[in-house]
Amino acid sequence: ILNVEQSPQSLHVQEGDSTNFTCSFPSSNFYALHWYRWETAKSPEALFVMTLNGDEKKKGRISATLNTKEGYSYLYIKGSQPEDSATYLCAFGGSQGNLIFGKGTKLSVKP
Amino acid sequence: DAGVTQSPTHLIKTRGQQVTLRCSPKSGHDTVSWYQQALGQGPQFIFQYYEEEERQRGNFPDRFSGHQFPNYSSELNVNALLLGDSALYLCASSLGVSSYEQYFGPGTRLTVT
Repeated sequence: ILNVEQSPQSLHVQEGDSTNFTCSFPSSNFYALHWYRWETAKSPEALFVMTLNGDEKKKGRISATLNTKEGYSYLYIKGSQPEDSATYLCAFGGSQGNLIFGKGTKLSVKP
Repeated sequence: DAGVTQSPTHLIKTRGQQVTLRCSPKSGHDTVSWYQQALGQGPQFIFQYYEEEERQRGNFPDRFSGHQFPNYSSELNVNALLLGDSALYLCASSLGVSSYEQYFGPGTRLTVT
């Protein structure tokens, strides 16, 4: 059974702090790794889809790295803002399109 | 351009009843996947529909069934509801079964009493 682990489970930071989360996944039969940002009562929003070992992607203050050989991805947020408060989900993507999600990291940014 | 929409937003049912949830995919998308998110868990894959057929299925019992219509919209049906079926049900759409990009709806919150 494929297992995707995320840590930490929750995180409380002050506005302006930089932070990072970890996603661990099986390193065999890798196809794609997805990061989603999910605010309460809204739809999960796709942040990044990463497919190549060593991939680094950036969107504004948020960036992600991928290591498929050791089976992990990091998500970084630079200078956290209150509007970054959300649950960040990572998902291991199979070649047939099904996603296997971790439980998420819930980020709270205090002004 | 409307994104993925789901209805209803919330639903309360009694054990043993049946429920139907609906999903309209993002414009231009032809594949719909359904996920269940139970409390404290990440979303779990239920099944995927493409060309009006179930293409893949996760580890869910036959009480969970679905349908895809010619306009690509989809329904998720759950029979003989159990308390454990209480969850948020998410629909995701994509262009093709192997697409990297999946767009999610806001979900339907099902409560079984």
